[in-house]
Amino acid sequence: KNEVEQSPQNLTAQEGEFITINCSYSVGISALHWLQQHPGGGIVSLFMLSSGKKKHGRLIATINIQEKHSSLHITASHPRDSAVYICARRGNYKLTFGKGTLLTVNP
Amino acid sequence: KAGVTQTPRYLIKTRGQQVTLSCSPISGHRSVSWYQQTPGQGLQFLFEYFSETQRNKGNFPGRFSGRQFSNSRSEMNVSTLELGDSALYLCASSLEANYGYTFGSGTRLTVV
Repeated sequence: KNEVEQSPQNLTAQEGEFITINCSYSVGISALHWLQQHPGGGIVSLFMLSSGKKKHGRLIATINIQEKHSSLHITASHPRDSAVYICARRGNYKLTFGKGTLLTVNP
Repeated sequence: KAGVTQTPRYLIKTRGQQVTLSCSPISGHRSVSWYQQTPGQGLQFLFEYFSETQRNKGNFPGRFSGRQFSNSRSEMNVSTLELGDSALYLCASSLEANYGYTFGSGTRLTVV
């Protein structure tokens, strides 16, 4: 079992839908990161969490330390949100990544 | 402010050769980390450096090495290249541990 598990692997939505991507990890963390990667593009850091909830525009990230689980929500999704979303746990001076969720938002 | 700069952007090398990739972090960032991204394995951690000290190394063979200079710039080296080393190599910088990361655009290495 991978240290970091993401679900779903692929997600297709219609513009305007509410999106949830889940991330579970098996080992304790110092922080949990959510990253975005557009096809052929670089990686952008969206959130770093160690507890609670953070919001930036239409994106919300939550983490439950006891359950070792984090979620990334996108409200009112838009085609420009189409990308791969990757969660990564930080511990022991390294990042361990999930396999990513490919999100496609259709107009 | 300038972002994380990786050079070169693209590289084609022959099996058995060696390669050096460079990463210039955001000014003031003292931590630099390196990652390999392939379609099969996804993103994998290579090394993390802070103030010229390697703090951790991923599960890669000894052919992969790195270093960080006093100005925080970092290089990674891969010797005796294999076809399987073809990948996107990314570096990221951060102010300190448990701060957010800023990623470079990557170096696309193709080994033929």
